Amino acid sequence: EPEVTQTPSHQVTQMGQEVILRCVPISNHLYFYWYRQILGQKVEFLVSFYNNEISEKSEIFDDQFSVERPDGSNFTLKIRSTKLEDSAMYFCASNVQGLEQYFGPGTRLTVT
Amino acid sequence: AQSVTQPDIHITVSEGASLELRCNYSYGATPYLFWYVQSPGQGLQLLLKYFSGDTLVQGIKGFEAEFKRSQSSFNLRKPSVHWSDAAEYFCAVGDRGGNKLVFGAGTILRVKS
Repeated sequence: EPEVTQTPSHQVTQMGQEVILRCVPISNHLYFYWYRQILGQKVEFLVSFYNNEISEKSEIFDDQFSVERPDGSNFTLKIRSTKLEDSAMYFCASNVQGLEQYFGPGTRLTVT
Repeated sequence: AQSVTQPDIHITVSEGASLELRCNYSYGATPYLFWYVQSPGQGLQLLLKYFSGDTLVQGIKGFEAEFKRSQSSFNLRKPSVHWSDAAEYFCAVGDRGGNKLVFGAGTILRVKS
């Protein structure tokens, strides 16, 4: 069964450093998403992406964040200058429009 | 704005007992509704979904949920819980444009033997 994959599974970085989280969505899906889950809190929407542009973003997704589909398979989330409060689990998801979203296993980002 | 309320933070049930996890949503139209399960350190697995039609939907692992428009609820049920069901359960609502999901705070299920 096709699945969403994410790398790395765990990333440790120092405050102020740039990080790139990578995702490979399911191959026939056209809509891509990033969510985050701070430890012990609910899963929060960050951004959705379709046709090489952002469809919607939350207030969390400020200028420090960017997304890109650099090739036909990868979907990336970049955090330009990480802060302590960016420490969270980041989930990538994908779907066909209007249908259920399939989530990857997540990348745990730890900012020290 | 969409919102989801899961009133129970923790629930403990005995193995073999029945289970009901509550979910209430706020949305201006008929929403898409989902239940996801998250085991410790794992990603989110879709248990079931409601888009339209029959208001009682069946999912994986023996779970079902019932959409009640009048109560704005989408409660998850299972007739007999297994120890492997211990996990955190998230209810989510999505709009029909297929964009973001809004999640509830989650309910942690503990199963005692």
